[in-house]
Amino acid sequence: AQKITQTQPGMFVQEKEAVTLDCTYDTSDPSYGLFWYKQPSSGEMIFLIYQGSYDQQNATEGRYSLNFQKARKSANLVISASQLGDSAMYFCAMREGGDSNYQLIWGAGTKLIIKP
Amino acid sequence: DSGVTQTPKHLITATGQRVTLRCSPRSGDLSVYWYQQSLDQGLQFLIQYYNGEERAKGNILERFSAQQFPDLHSELNLSSLELGDSALYFCASSVGFGGPDGYTFGSGTRLTVV
Repeated sequence: AQKITQTQPGMFVQEKEAVTLDCTYDTSDPSYGLFWYKQPSSGEMIFLIYQGSYDQQNATEGRYSLNFQKARKSANLVISASQLGDSAMYFCAMREGGDSNYQLIWGAGTKLIIKP
Repeated sequence: DSGVTQTPKHLITATGQRVTLRCSPRSGDLSVYWYQQSLDQGLQFLIQYYNGEERAKGNILERFSAQQFPDLHSELNLSSLELGDSALYFCASSVGFGGPDGYTFGSGTRLTVV
């Protein structure tokens, strides 16, 4: 079963509009972390934002915020006031807790294209 | 520059050959992770090292091996290469086991097997 599901393979958004990228996850571990990464066409993986399972407030980092709905196992990324430079692949990833299990499990990604 | 250095950036080699990918983690990071990104499999975790010791193994083929050296740099060895091994190989590092600061990724090594 998929542990990280990103249901939007691609999205087109007008510049300056807000955009929400969906991510749902599946875990029975009470301790986990959720990450969003951006991968531009150049290929590098850029860390955007993190949400811990015990965090009481939704994470925010500049124009990025994470809409964390724990009961629904949802961790959507919201980008406010989108810019042309936001065009990229976006990946949601999860780290489950445990003594040695700290690798990331990845979603399939969403390709975001910002239109001028 | 993320602080994680991967070399080479591009590699083209023939089937059956062996290659070594190198990663220098960000200064102060003790954990190194290797990931493979391919068109059909997406991003997959291969292996993790912490301070020189193997800590976790993912979907790493037996033809692949890795190690982390005393200076904390890591090498991923890929042998008996097949066309399907063509992918972008990422190295990532973290201070401990990953948390609010995330994992810092290198720019990747793009391997093409012909």
